[in-house]
Parts: sequence; C-alpha cells; structure tokens
Amino acid sequence: EVQLVESGGGPVKPGGSLRISCATSGFTFSKYNIHWVRQAPGKGLEWVSSISSTSAYKYYADSVKGRFTISRDNAANSVYLQMNSLRGDDTAVYYCARPPTSSTSWYYLDYWGQGTLVTVSS
Amino acid sequence: DIVLTQSPGTLSLSPGERVTLSCRASQSVSSTYLAWYQQKPGQSPRLLMSGTSNRATGTPDRFSGSGSGTDFTLTISRLEPEDFAVYYCQQYGSSLTFGGGTKVEI
Repeated sequence: EVQLVESGGGPVKPGGSLRISCATSGFTFSKYNIHWVRQAPGKGLEWVSSISSTSAYKYYADSVKGRFTISRDNAANSVYLQMNSLRGDDTAVYYCARPPTSSTSWYYLDYWGQGTLVTVSS
Repeated sequence: DIVLTQSPGTLSLSPGERVTLSCRASQSVSSTYLAWYQQKPGQSPRLLMSGTSNRATGTPDRFSGSGSGTDFTLTISRLEPEDFAVYYCQQYGSSLTFGGGTKVEI
C-alpha cells in the first residue's frame, strides 16, 4: 500500500525556520517525482515545490522561491522541505503527494499524505 | 503561469440534483492535462478525474468531465449525500496549478 506521511509541522515565529518531512512506503520511491502542496486555513490548494526522482530538477512556486528548499533522501524514502524566513501567509497544511507514474513530466497527483500544519505567528 | 478560475465559489443544492462545475483557464490547456479533485473537511484531496474525462479508480460513474481549450466542466448527474464537498480543478501541462475550488453544500 502506497503511503506518504508528513511530519515536522508546528508553531514558528515570523522569520523563523522549520523543516518538514514526508516519509513514504509501499512503492519504489527512487523512481518518482514528489510534490509539496499547501492549503492555508479555509483556502484552496497551492502547489509549493517539486523534486525529480534523482534530485536533478527542483521547482518552486514564486511565493516561496529563495526561502524554501526541497530535498530528498532516496535511501530513506523521504522528501524534505526546508522553510526559512517564514511569514504569516506561509501558515498552512502542507501535503506531500505522488504522481501515478515515474515519468519526468508534470502529472496529476493520485497519492497524498494526511498533511502537517505549519503555523507562523508571533 | 496558467491561472485556473472556478465558478461558482459555492453551490447550495439538494441530493438528487444535477450539478455542473466550471473551470476556466487563462490560456489553453490540453485536455490531456486537466484533473479534478474532491476534498471533504479534515481530509486530503482525492483524485476524481484525470485527462479531463478519465475517472480515477473508485470514482462513481455519476461523475463526468468534459471540455477543451480554456473551458472545462465536472458534472455530477445526481448528487449523493457523500458528494457534498469542495472540488478543485488542476492543470499539469505546465507546472502545477489549482483552481480556487467550488464548494457544493446542502
């Protein structure tokens, strides 16, 4: 069974840093791109960042570029999102998600974790 | 970047009714690269449809998708109680973009 489990969320002060993780199981992790999508309280879905299977390609939304860094450890079947210079509008549930195929192209997302809440507040 | 606009923001309906949700793109999107998700309170999004009209595993056949170019729709032929949720469209032809969502409420 494919599983993605996020962790590491919590409260952080504006300007602070936090690293969230996505631990996976049930599939050959090293073959799949992984994506982070966030959802502010009561708001819609926003794509945040993506990483290719070999870490060769990393992509970021303009809203987080220069502040967030995505990485992965294929030996640990995990993806990470290092978030620096956090702002109030970064408050959201952060989901990691997997596409249905190991293609290098952009794809829809058919497996999602349960999310981890990051709250940026003084 | 491609912007997706969903309308209406909220629909108030009754079980058994037919509903059509709209997703409009700021530029043309290949029908191959348009998906729909359902999200219920406290849950992660669930894939409903990919490639505009291909139902995901477990999606009931009362759900159907159509459209091309910049205009796409998700139709639920007869609303069931479990269909009351928020629906998002997503394009994946150029990066990933989500629409703002349409809430279907009783």
